[in-house]
Amino acid sequence: EDQVTQSPEALRLQEGESSSLNCSYTVSGLRGLFWYRQDPGKGPEFLFTLYSAGEEKEKERLKATLTKKESFLHITAPKPEDSATYLCAVQDSGAGSYQLTFGKGTKLSVIP
Amino acid sequence: DSGVTQTPKHLITATGQRVTLRCSPRSGDLSVYWYQQSLDQGLQFLIQYYNGEERAKGNILERFSAQQFPDLHSELNLSSLELGDSALYFCASSVSGADEQYFGPGTRLTVT
Repeated sequence: EDQVTQSPEALRLQEGESSSLNCSYTVSGLRGLFWYRQDPGKGPEFLFTLYSAGEEKEKERLKATLTKKESFLHITAPKPEDSATYLCAVQDSGAGSYQLTFGKGTKLSVIP
Repeated sequence: DSGVTQTPKHLITATGQRVTLRCSPRSGDLSVYWYQQSLDQGLQFLIQYYNGEERAKGNILERFSAQQFPDLHSELNLSSLELGDSALYFCASSVSGADEQYFGPGTRLTVT
């Protein structure tokens, strides 16, 4: 069974204080690892897809990296508008479908 | 705005009742997914359709069913509702299945 564990559950940062969120995963074969951002009461917003170990992707203050067992979402000099819950999900290449298995998320609060 | 639309936004109903949630995918997307999000369980995959055909089932209860119509919109039917069915229900769509999924704004279901 696919498993995704995100840590920490919650993170408070001062504006400008860089940090990283962790996503550890267990799958029979990784088709893709996805990062989403979710604001309260809203649908998840797609951020990145990573397919193989060593791959990196960047968007504004966010950078996602992937190893064979985990992914990191690095946040550089965050701003209050980066406050949200960040979700990690995996897609198993061994499964017959393309369903996503999600972690429970990291709730990020950026304090001005 | 992801391009995925869901109606209604909110739904309040009583135990034992039946409701229908509706989803229109992004233009050009053939795959539709349904997910349930509750506070304790996180985002859980329910079911996937591809071009009108059921592709995969997750932990979907027998009281729940779904279909995808020729115009590619999808409906999720929930019957014999229980208090524990109260949750956010999200629809997502993708072009094929292996690519990223884009989520709608969700339907908040409250069962009283």
